[in-house]
Amino acid sequence: EIVLTQSPGTLSLSPGERATLSCRASQSVSSNYLAWYQQKPGQAPRLLIYGASSRATGIPDRFSGSGSGTDFTLTISRLEPEDFAVFYCQQYGSAPLLTFGGGTKVEIK
Amino acid sequence: QVQLVESGGGVVQPGRSLRLSCAASGFSFSSYAIHWVRRAPGKGLEWVAVISNDAKNEYYAASVKGRFTISRDNSKNTLYLQMNNLRPEDTAVYYCARGGVHWYFDLWGRGTLVTVSS
Repeated sequence: EIVLTQSPGTLSLSPGERATLSCRASQSVSSNYLAWYQQKPGQAPRLLIYGASSRATGIPDRFSGSGSGTDFTLTISRLEPEDFAVFYCQQYGSAPLLTFGGGTKVEIK
Repeated sequence: QVQLVESGGGVVQPGRSLRLSCAASGFSFSSYAIHWVRRAPGKGLEWVAVISNDAKNEYYAASVKGRFTISRDNSKNTLYLQMNNLRPEDTAVYYCARGGVHWYFDLWGRGTLVTVSS
């Protein structure tokens, strides 16, 4: 099973700042099959990024994904008030054994 | 409106059973694999199970294999999760999620809470 470790656990930032979230895999993720999701309290998770760097439909271009192999990054270029939430990475390169990271909470400083 | 709506959650004693449902609307349900994903209190997301679009293939996480059964009725646009021999560690919000081109999730429901407690 591929274990995904997200860091930091919590990121305290102000609107307008840049957020950089890390997701590290215990072994290489096949074909860079890594996705990112955003979840706000009481809401369904929302797909942001798939294939490590492809934005999902309707996702603003301030969200970007990068990385390959075992190290992946989600960057939010300029935080908007609605961006504060918990973010999860997920690998699907070893399907059907799918795994998520533990999450990074982006909170308002 | 394209959406997934879960139902059937509640409080159940350890060892008992519960069946969750997920009603789909606004898209061609029979064209997509559908997954169950859960989030335990204070923890992250955990994939639970998936069923192919034609119901011919099912896969389960090791933590639920042999206890949970995923099924679907394409005529009713509905997904199910039969949960038997429930344990306290199964306490979580259960989400149904549509499978994308590959095994990521491009549409989620809001979830239904299952609490296993005596």
